[in-house]
Amino acid sequence: DAKTTQPNSMESNEEEPVHLPCNHSTISGTDYIHWYRQLPSQGPEYVIHGLTSNVNNRMASLAIAEDRKSSTLILHRATLRDAAVYYCILRDVSGANNLFFGTGTRLTVIP
Amino acid sequence: AAGVIQSPRHLIKEKRETATLKCYPIPRHDTVYWYQQGPGQDPQFLISFYEKMQSDKGSIPDRFSAQQFSDYHSELNMSSLELGDSALYFCASSSGGTNTGELFFGEGSRLTVL
Repeated sequence: DAKTTQPNSMESNEEEPVHLPCNHSTISGTDYIHWYRQLPSQGPEYVIHGLTSNVNNRMASLAIAEDRKSSTLILHRATLRDAAVYYCILRDVSGANNLFFGTGTRLTVIP
Repeated sequence: AAGVIQSPRHLIKEKRETATLKCYPIPRHDTVYWYQQGPGQDPQFLISFYEKMQSDKGSIPDRFSAQQFSDYHSELNMSSLELGDSALYFCASSSGGTNTGELFFGEGSRLTVL
């Protein structure tokens, strides 16, 4: 599975936008970019995913670079509830049906 | 809406004992995944099932086995427990057997081995 690289930790002020970067320079054409987050003491939670075009949903936006070697998860207004570990994961649509978690970004939201 | 149900939520066992964790996927979901998360670690993929057949295997020890039943629930059996097996075990489910759909995770079963 192609590898992703994320910063270990980031901080944001409450109600400010947050941009969480992810590098995936070895991404293949059949890899979807998935983002999950894990709040303290909870199971991981799906956030968003995309292939080539930018994506928006009620939780976040996903901006994908034109060459697909990097992507950014955007939380438009961070709340205290958004404090979590955010995982950027590549999932090969033609490969095995599973999800491999790497080392995500721990987001701290400051009141 | 119904979520993924895991039982038991907490389990305490002695070394060398056996434990069984159960997972009930969201209705109409045909794929189940098992993950292990040690203290301070990221979730590690163990094994997955699609339509009652094993679809992929990760870092699951030989002492562990799992299966998916005809009603799509799954059980993870762990034998000869070791202290290092103490962890949170998450089950997730999805539908369609594709690699684009989202996984829905349960709240986890916390296993403590003494």
